[in-house]
Amino acid sequence: QKEVEQDPGPLSVPEGAIVSLNCTYSNSAFQYFMWYRQYSRKGPELLMYTYSSGNKEDGRFTAQVDKSSKYISLFIRDSQPSDSATYLCAMIAPTSGGSYIPTFGRGTSLIVHP
Amino acid sequence: NAGVTQTPKFQVLKTGQSMTLQCAQDMNHNSMYWYRQDPGMGLRLIYYSASEGTTDKGEVPNGYNVSRLNKREFSLRLESAAPSQTSVYFCASSEVQGRSYTFGSGTRLTVV
Repeated sequence: QKEVEQDPGPLSVPEGAIVSLNCTYSNSAFQYFMWYRQYSRKGPELLMYTYSSGNKEDGRFTAQVDKSSKYISLFIRDSQPSDSATYLCAMIAPTSGGSYIPTFGRGTSLIVHP
Repeated sequence: NAGVTQTPKFQVLKTGQSMTLQCAQDMNHNSMYWYRQDPGMGLRLIYYSASEGTTDKGEVPNGYNVSRLNKREFSLRLESAAPSQTSVYFCASSEVQGRSYTFGSGTRLTVV
């Protein structure tokens, strides 16, 4: 079982819908949490970064972390066709050597149709 | 534009051939990483360099070697390519480990 689980989808929603994307994890040592967006044939780009439980908002995007349940979510309000992409969660824990290396989920493919 | 530059963007190799994937960043970041991305597998770390002069193995290092040439450049070498190495390879960098990571646009490699 992977340390980070993420449903690959695809998730198809109509324009304007609220989208909920989720990841679960098993490693309680994860300290930092990120969401990346990846358009087709492009590299991932950082959307949200957080290190504590609770909510963080940035425009139409809200990242939520629940460390007690080992569960993180990304909410997209008023979704647009331009939000169609793959969304990857990533989590960071220190290694035994003191490095901080992210572990990525497999990504969820989101399709927002007009 | 500032960022991470990868070359080449596409490559087709025959089994047994060797090649080097190049990566350069102009953001003065300390740490650099090589990932491969396969359908259904997500991003898997091959090697990373926490700082200039150091390199460490990631999750899937077999069949690869790396060189941190200087602070800007981090190359990935396939000595004897195998079909299982067909993938999209991404280079990334970060100013400080545990903070945001900037990715390049990827190299699509096919080994036949």
